[in-house]
Amino acid sequence: KQEVTQIPAALSVPEGENLVLNCSFTDSAIYNLQWFRQDPGKGLTSLLLIQSSQREQTSGRLNASLDKSSGRSTLYIAASQPGDSATYLCAVRPSAGNTGKLIFGQGTTLQVKP
Amino acid sequence: DTGVSQDPRHKITKRGQNVTFRCDPISEHNRLYWYRQTLGQGPEFLTYFQNEAQLEKSRLLSDRFSAERPKGSFSTLEIQRTEQGDSAMYLCASSELAGMGLLVYEQYFGPGTRLTVT
Repeated sequence: KQEVTQIPAALSVPEGENLVLNCSFTDSAIYNLQWFRQDPGKGLTSLLLIQSSQREQTSGRLNASLDKSSGRSTLYIAASQPGDSATYLCAVRPSAGNTGKLIFGQGTTLQVKP
Repeated sequence: DTGVSQDPRHKITKRGQNVTFRCDPISEHNRLYWYRQTLGQGPEFLTYFQNEAQLEKSRLLSDRFSAERPKGSFSTLEIQRTEQGDSAMYLCASSELAGMGLLVYEQYFGPGTRLTVT
């Protein structure tokens, strides 16, 4: 059974700091991994999607890496800003069983202090 | 196109009542997904459609839950005889149809419907 874990559960950093969020998954049989941002009481905003054949994806100050064999992904945020404060979720799409679902971690809640 | 939309955004109901939520996906997206999210947790998959066909249902989708996508466009999720444990955010997402063995497209989420059962 695929399980996704995110560590730490919460993180507080001063503005301007570079930071790394971690995501691990137990089964390497995945099609892709997606990182999302969620503001309190809101829906999910897709940040980056990494296909299983890819090692990393970049968008602006965000860089996501994928090491499928070890079951790990990281989301790197450069020069953090208060507007980055939110919960960050990672999700994998298993390749076993022809499923369409995403399996999510519990998220890391980030606070960037001015 | 403005993205995935959901209606209503908030619903408060009394235990035992039936509720129905609507999701309108991005217009060219063939796949539509429903998830449930409780406070402090990541979303959990409920079901998904490819066009009008419901292809997968989670064990979380008890007999009180039913989802439809009659014309392959919008979808409805109905909960009958609501219980306090049904209180959650119900999220809808859509994606393009994945190619055969090719890239698998990302899922785009709507704003969610917050259900409170009193």
